[in-house]
Amino acid sequence: AQSVAQPEDQVNVAEGNPLTVKCTYSVSGNPYLFWYVQYPNRGLQFLLKYITGDNLVKGSYGFEAEFNKSQTSFHLKKPSALVSDSALYFCAVRPRGDYKLSFGAGTTVTVRA
Amino acid sequence: DVKVTQSSRYLVKRTGEKVFLECVQDMDHENMFWYRQDPGLGLRLIYFSYDVKMKEKGDIPEGYSVSREKKERFSLILESASTNQTSMYLCASSLGTGGSGANVLTFGAGSRLTVL
Repeated sequence: AQSVAQPEDQVNVAEGNPLTVKCTYSVSGNPYLFWYVQYPNRGLQFLLKYITGDNLVKGSYGFEAEFNKSQTSFHLKKPSALVSDSALYFCAVRPRGDYKLSFGAGTTVTVRA
Repeated sequence: DVKVTQSSRYLVKRTGEKVFLECVQDMDHENMFWYRQDPGLGLRLIYFSYDVKMKEKGDIPEGYSVSREKKERFSLILESASTNQTSMYLCASSLGTGGSGANVLTFGAGSRLTVL
């Protein structure tokens, strides 16, 4: 069975401060890892993905994520958060050779001015 | 620039009604998916299809069925709607796998279904 855990339901940060959204997974092998974002009243949008290689992945809107195989984690980061980053963030994992993409429960990020 | 279109943004139905949720993609993607999104539970996969007329059960298929008669269209059917099926339903599509499992899902805007 595969699972994705986002241990924080909510993350609150001040604008300009670093933002981290945590994700851990339990999937056998070397899965593909993704982050998606859902802005209010909009569909999910792809942010970034990890396939192989460099553990630091850069994505859209200044976001990046760090893959840590020993800790089975894929935390999303942004060095300086913006109010417009306030949204619902989902981590997702897909085992290699599988169609199925499994999502975490989501983390609501609120960036205050 | 619309790529995945869900026919209804908001629906209100009564218990026992048959409900059709339609999804169309214009990207010639092989794979299509139906998820439901509930607060605190994230997205849960209901069904997916990797080819025309092919379907696979996801994590929560009970009470649902799907139809994929054409490559671009994937329909979710609630044969007899119940109140616990009140949810946001998200359709998505992606290119085929066949070694490209890193392909990204493109989502529709969602259909919010309320069953009274």
